[in-house]
Amino acid sequence: AQSVSQHNHHVILSEAASLELGCNYSYGGTVNLFWYVQYPGQHLQLLLKYFSGDPLVKGIKGFEAEFIKSKFSFNLRKPSVQWSDTAEYFCAVKSHNAGNMLTFGGGTRLMVKP
Amino acid sequence: KAGVTQTPRYLIKTRGQQVTLSCSPISGHRSVSWYQQTPGQGLQFLFEYFSETQRNKGNFPGRFSGRQFSNSRSEMNVSTLELGDSALYLCASSFEVNEKLFFGSGTQLSVL
Repeated sequence: AQSVSQHNHHVILSEAASLELGCNYSYGGTVNLFWYVQYPGQHLQLLLKYFSGDPLVKGIKGFEAEFIKSKFSFNLRKPSVQWSDTAEYFCAVKSHNAGNMLTFGGGTRLMVKP
Repeated sequence: KAGVTQTPRYLIKTRGQQVTLSCSPISGHRSVSWYQQTPGQGLQFLFEYFSETQRNKGNFPGRFSGRQFSNSRSEMNVSTLELGDSALYLCASSFEVNEKLFFGSGTQLSVL
């Protein structure tokens, strides 16, 4: 069975600080990887996804993630966070042939202090 | 374009009752997935439907069931409710499988 670990449950940063949220998964086959974000009071929405090709994926709002297959990792990064990035971030993985059956990590709550 | 619509937004039931939740996907989307979100277990996949057929099912007891209609609208049903079924139930839709998922606001179910 797949599992996804997000090691940081809560992160507090000041504006302009750099962000890196860790995500590790366990699955031996070909995977598709995702980061979703949930802003306060809003729906879950897709930040970025990796299916194949360049392991460095760029998403919306200046976020990027790097797929490192040998480390089973898909860490999310942003060089300079803003107060509006305060949200909960979820890493998710699915087998490439598993439809839309995603396995989510436990989430990381990010608070950016102005 | 309207987003994914879930009704009702809030629901309170007692143990032993059954409940039906509804999800209207974005117009044109044929894939609908359901997830359960709880503070303890996080987001867990329930099932996925595509063109009225269940494609995948998560690791939930048979009390949890669902269906999809010809207009792609979907319902999920939970019978013989237990306290542990209290959760936010999220529906997500996509045009095709493996495409971007759009989530609804969810139905918050409380079982007393």
